[in-house]
Amino acid sequence: DAGVIQSPRHEVTEMGQEVTLRCKPISGHDYLFWYRQTMMRGLELLIYFNNNVPIDDSGMPEDRFSAKMPNASFSTLKIQPSEPRDSAVYFCASSSLAGVHNEQFFGPGTRLTVL
Amino acid sequence: KNQVEQSPQSLIILEGKNCTLQCNYTVSPFSNLRWYKQDTGRGPVSLTIMTFSENTKSNGRYTATLDADTKQSSLHITASQLSDSASYICVVSGDILTGGGNKLTFGTGTQLKVEL
Repeated sequence: DAGVIQSPRHEVTEMGQEVTLRCKPISGHDYLFWYRQTMMRGLELLIYFNNNVPIDDSGMPEDRFSAKMPNASFSTLKIQPSEPRDSAVYFCASSSLAGVHNEQFFGPGTRLTVL
Repeated sequence: KNQVEQSPQSLIILEGKNCTLQCNYTVSPFSNLRWYKQDTGRGPVSLTIMTFSENTKSNGRYTATLDADTKQSSLHITASQLSDSASYICVVSGDILTGGGNKLTFGTGTQLKVEL
């Protein structure tokens, strides 16, 4: 398996623009997570899905952030409009309840820079 | 409030030496504790996962210990190599039902640098 795939790997945009981050989880995994990592706050869970259904989005910072999972093999995280404080590395992870302790496997991340 | 604290914040050691990283947590309920290794520019990769009944678990040169009574864990690296240079993140899961999900509490990591 190729692991969790994220695109793009790097994104540079200007304040006010819409940003869409993409994730393909490991085939067969029924959980998908979106995280944000910054130097100041470390890793923070934004939202997670189970069987394509959002379970908890309490970590989403504000209404500018939205996430969808239209099918078991694809998810998006959208920021509209983007702001400089959104600059961070965004990770997608997936896991299977059938796996050992529901271990999460992380993608390589998308480094977002908002100018 | 659930918290995971790691020490030291950063560490520099010479290649071949051993080192120990610490993790203290105040997460309740407790399901399992994980150590992740994160190389620069990459996503975290799991090293070990331990439940409350496990005192120690090894993965090659990495050995994790857990004291569920004192809520402390350590990660010991033996005979360090240059490739061990990375951030090591302690993560505690309070999700008893699934062992994961939104009940993960992350430490801010220990940045380890191994030098010649």
